[in-house]
Amino acid sequence: DVVMTQSPLSLPVTLGQPASISCRSSQSLVYSDGNTYLTWFQQRPGQSPRRLIYTVSNRDSGVPDRFSGSGSGTDFTLKISRVEAEDVGVYYCMQGTHWPFTFGPGTTVDIK
Amino acid sequence: QVQLVESGGGLVKPGGSLRLACAASGFSFSDHYMTWLRQAPGKGLELVSYISGGEDIIYYADSVKGRFTISRDNAKNSLYLQMNSLRAEDTAVYYCARGGRAPGYWGQGTLVTVSS
Repeated sequence: DVVMTQSPLSLPVTLGQPASISCRSSQSLVYSDGNTYLTWFQQRPGQSPRRLIYTVSNRDSGVPDRFSGSGSGTDFTLKISRVEAEDVGVYYCMQGTHWPFTFGPGTTVDIK
Repeated sequence: QVQLVESGGGLVKPGGSLRLACAASGFSFSDHYMTWLRQAPGKGLELVSYISGGEDIIYYADSVKGRFTISRDNAKNSLYLQMNSLRAEDTAVYYCARGGRAPGYWGQGTLVTVSS
């Protein structure tokens, strides 16, 4: 199975400051159709996960533009340009290239 | 708007069975892969199974293979997960989601507790 690792696992941030989460996969996530199925999810306390970014860098409708995704192959990053209070929660990366699709362990973002 | 509403969770004894359902609305159900995922209490996310719109492609996680069966009724816009031989480690909130490789819409989840 493809192992997804995230760092850091805990990220205390100051409001208005940037934040960055790294996600690495044990194999390349480039699929035979040319797409790289790396997705980022946000899970706020007590809520269902919400997709933020799909295929590495495509932001979902309604997702603030302070969220951005980048990367390629096995190395990916989610950036928040200026953290707001509503961004508190757990962030997961997921690979949808190789079955079984797998998630990273999650990064908990909270406010300092 | 897209809505996914899960039902069927509850308390069941080890070795028992449950059938989860997910009612979908707001999109053309038969055009989309659908997925069941789960989250054990205080833990991360696991993709359990997914199914293509025409039911010709079905995958299961190794942890549930041979015990769980995914199915769908496109006429009723519904997704199902038949869970047999349940174990304590199957205790989790179960979510249905639209999509397979990058699930885009999720339901609110239904809690399954396996305990004697």
